[in-house]
Amino acid sequence: KQEVTQIPAALSVPEGENLVLNCSFTDSAIYNLQWFRQDPGKGLTSLLLIQSSQREQTSGRLNASLDKSSGRSTLYIAASQPGDSATYLCAVRPDTGRRALTFGSGTRLQVQP
Amino acid sequence: GAGVSQSPRYKVAKRGQDVALRCDPISGHVSLFWYQQALGQGPEFLTYFQNEAQLDKSGLPSDRFFAERPEGSVSTLKIQRTQQEDSAVYLCASSLRASGGASYNEQFFGPGTRLTVL
Repeated sequence: KQEVTQIPAALSVPEGENLVLNCSFTDSAIYNLQWFRQDPGKGLTSLLLIQSSQREQTSGRLNASLDKSSGRSTLYIAASQPGDSATYLCAVRPDTGRRALTFGSGTRLQVQP
Repeated sequence: GAGVSQSPRYKVAKRGQDVALRCDPISGHVSLFWYQQALGQGPEFLTYFQNEAQLDKSGLPSDRFFAERPEGSVSTLKIQRTQQEDSAVYLCASSLRASGGASYNEQFFGPGTRLTVL
């Protein structure tokens, strides 16, 4: 059974810092990996999707990398801002024909002004 | 265009009541998913539809949970005889297709329905 772990569970940084969020998964047979942002009381906003054949994806200040063979992904946030404060979730879709995503428990990020 | 919408946004039910949660996916999206999110946890998969066909219901926790998507668009998740452990946020997601490149299988989520069972 696929297990997804996110470290750290919570992170507090001053505004302007660059930071890295980590995601690891136990089964490397994945179709893709998706990073989401969730604000309190809200649904999930898709940030980046990396297909299994890709190594990284970039969007603005965000860069996600994927090392499928070692079961790891990182989300790099450059020049963090208070508006980046949210919970960040990673999720993997298996390469077995199943469509369901398996999520980690998230990293709760607080960026201090 | 409009994103995924869900209604109601909040639902309070007495234990033993039946509830129905609605999801309107993005227009034209073939795939529709339901997830359950407990407080402080990531979402957990419940069920998946491709058009009107329910192809995977392996995540439904009991036979009290039932989902349908009769015309391949709007979906309803029904919970019968609600229990306190059913209290959670129920999230719906849709994607254009189930396979293909990233633009086709990226899942887009609605705001969720927060269910509280007293």
